[in-house]
Amino acid sequence: EIVLTQSPGTLSLSPGERATLSCRASQSVSSRSLGWYQQKPGQAPRLLIYGASNRATGIPDRFSGSGSGTDFTLTISRLEPEDFAVYYCQQSGSSPWAFGQGTKVEIK
Amino acid sequence: EVQLVQSGAEVKKPGESLKISCKGSGYSFTNYWIGWVRQMPGKGLEWMGIIYPGDSDTRYSPSFQGQVTISADKSISTAYLQWSSLKASDTAMYYCARRSAWYISGYYSYGMDVWGQGTTVTVSS
Repeated sequence: EIVLTQSPGTLSLSPGERATLSCRASQSVSSRSLGWYQQKPGQAPRLLIYGASNRATGIPDRFSGSGSGTDFTLTISRLEPEDFAVYYCQQSGSSPWAFGQGTKVEIK
Repeated sequence: EVQLVQSGAEVKKPGESLKISCKGSGYSFTNYWIGWVRQMPGKGLEWMGIIYPGDSDTRYSPSFQGQVTISADKSISTAYLQWSSLKASDTAMYYCARRSAWYISGYYSYGMDVWGQGTTVTVSS
């Protein structure tokens, strides 16, 4: 069973700053099955990145994903006010699928 | 419009049974995996299991195996999550989501691109 560990737990940043979120897997994950999701309070999660590095439809290009094997990164190049939220990584390549525990990006 | 619409909020007592639903529309329901995700109050996302409505192939997270049943009725494009005996610890928001595949640079990449609005389940005596 693959365990995903996200770091940091909370990221305190100001609008306009760069955010770098990490997702580390307990064993190698297929990049094709690594996704990143954004969740705001009271809302369902939203797919940001699929296949580790591909932006989903309608996602601004300030969001980018990278990585392979056991280490993956979500980068938000310049934080906009609407980007303050919780972010989750997920692998769906081998059962059981799993989510990381989330990284909260909060306004500093 | 592609969407997943979930059934409404439920309030139940411990020991009662429950079945919540997730209806797909705007796409070929039988050709996409549907997953169920739990979110306990103030907590993160937990993957519960998935079903392929085309043939009802179902996989469970070990944490939820035997605790819930996932099913689907492809004739009405609806997936279900059910409990035979609820516990207070089942109090949570439950989401369904569709897993899609995109063919890029010679291979398929995957992600859960359509989510239901969530169903709140409250279990309290």
